[in-house]
Amino acid sequence: AQSVTQPDIHITVSEGASLELRCNYSYGATPYLFWYVQSPGQGLQLLLKYFSGDTLVQGIKGFEAEFKRSQSSFNLRKPSVHWSDAAEYFCAVGAGGTSYGKLTFGQGTILTVHP
Amino acid sequence: DTEVTQTPKHLVMGMTNKKSLKCEQHMGHRAMYWYKQKAKKPPELMFVYSYEKLSINESVPSRFSPECPNSSLLNLHLHALQPEDSALYLCASSPLVGTGNTIYFGEGSWLTVV
Repeated sequence: AQSVTQPDIHITVSEGASLELRCNYSYGATPYLFWYVQSPGQGLQLLLKYFSGDTLVQGIKGFEAEFKRSQSSFNLRKPSVHWSDAAEYFCAVGAGGTSYGKLTFGQGTILTVHP
Repeated sequence: DTEVTQTPKHLVMGMTNKKSLKCEQHMGHRAMYWYKQKAKKPPELMFVYSYEKLSINESVPSRFSPECPNSSLLNLHLHALQPEDSALYLCASSPLVGTGNTIYFGEGSWLTVV
């Protein structure tokens, strides 16, 4: 069974600082990996995804993530955080085949941005 | 432009009521999903529809009844719910159910059962 671990429940950074959110996954085959962001009371917005190919993927809002198979990781990064980035971030892994629609999410990381 | 529209945004219902949540997408996607998100928890899959047919039911209680009347619409009929069913219900869609298809979420419907 697939699983996702986000080790950091809550991260606080200053505006303009760099950011890295950690994500580790467990999946027996090639994983399909996603990062979503959720603002309070809102739905999930897709930031980026990894299916195959280049292990460094670019997303919206200046985010990027790097897939490292040897470490089973898919960490999210941003070089300079803006106050509007404060939200909860979810890493998710998608199953393959006929179970593809079943995303398994990590517990989420809440990002607080100080001015 | 990716958009999944859910109505209503907020719903309060009694335990004996019958209500429905509605979801619509006009992206030509052929797979649609219902997820449930309890407070301070990640979303969990409830149902998957592929080509308007139910393909995955994650052992959801029968008081939740999904319906996919056409390729653009997905409903979730609610009956005899319990207070513990109070949650954010998220609809999502993807071009297909299959490898490499991105799943897009709506804004969700907040359900409170009293």
